[in-house]
Amino acid sequence: SQTIHQWPATLVQPVGSPLSLECTVEGTSNPNLYWYRQAAGRGLQLLFYSVGIGQISSEVPQNLSASRPQDRQFILSSKKLLLSDSGFYLCAWSTRTYGYTFGSGTRLTVV
Amino acid sequence: EDQVTQSPEALRLQEGESSSLNCSYTVSGLRGLFWYRQDPGKGPEFLFTLYSAGEEKEKERLKATLTKKESFLHITAPKPEDSATYLCAVSTGNQFYFGTGTSLTVIP
Repeated sequence: SQTIHQWPATLVQPVGSPLSLECTVEGTSNPNLYWYRQAAGRGLQLLFYSVGIGQISSEVPQNLSASRPQDRQFILSSKKLLLSDSGFYLCAWSTRTYGYTFGSGTRLTVV
Repeated sequence: EDQVTQSPEALRLQEGESSSLNCSYTVSGLRGLFWYRQDPGKGPEFLFTLYSAGEEKEKERLKATLTKKESFLHITAPKPEDSATYLCAVSTGNQFYFGTGTSLTVIP
């Protein structure tokens, strides 16, 4: 079966510290992978998407970056976190039938 | 401009009180409309995909319908465990647009 793993579930980081969130997919090959951010009371904001290894497209210029070192691994990073980076981060992969399959999410609080 | 709008933003129902959530869209070339359920602190979970006007899908107390301009998620005799945020999304094939969701609370 196809599953998506995302970790950690929660993270509290000080301003200026680095960030690394990891997402892996099982049961599929060459998936389209996505990073979304969801702010309280607001919709899902697409941050990055990838159609293959090393291929990253950024939707919103900001303090974050993404990498895809392996076919089923997608990483969201930052060198120096800002307070405004706080939010709920979701990794997802897409299919025509289900739209997106989401990971369980990471609640990031920058203090 | 392509967009998806959900209403109401929040809905409180008594247990057993049926109602409907709305998702209206203006996109060029609908490829699919998706409904998701999101519990607090978790990622959205897939509920339904609708592809063409007139299509309907059902799952337990939920029924999703689609017209050329909007989709409804009908909740029949809801229970407290149906409390969640319900998201709709529209695919044009090249782009995916999410609504901001309807927060449903079902009171025992």
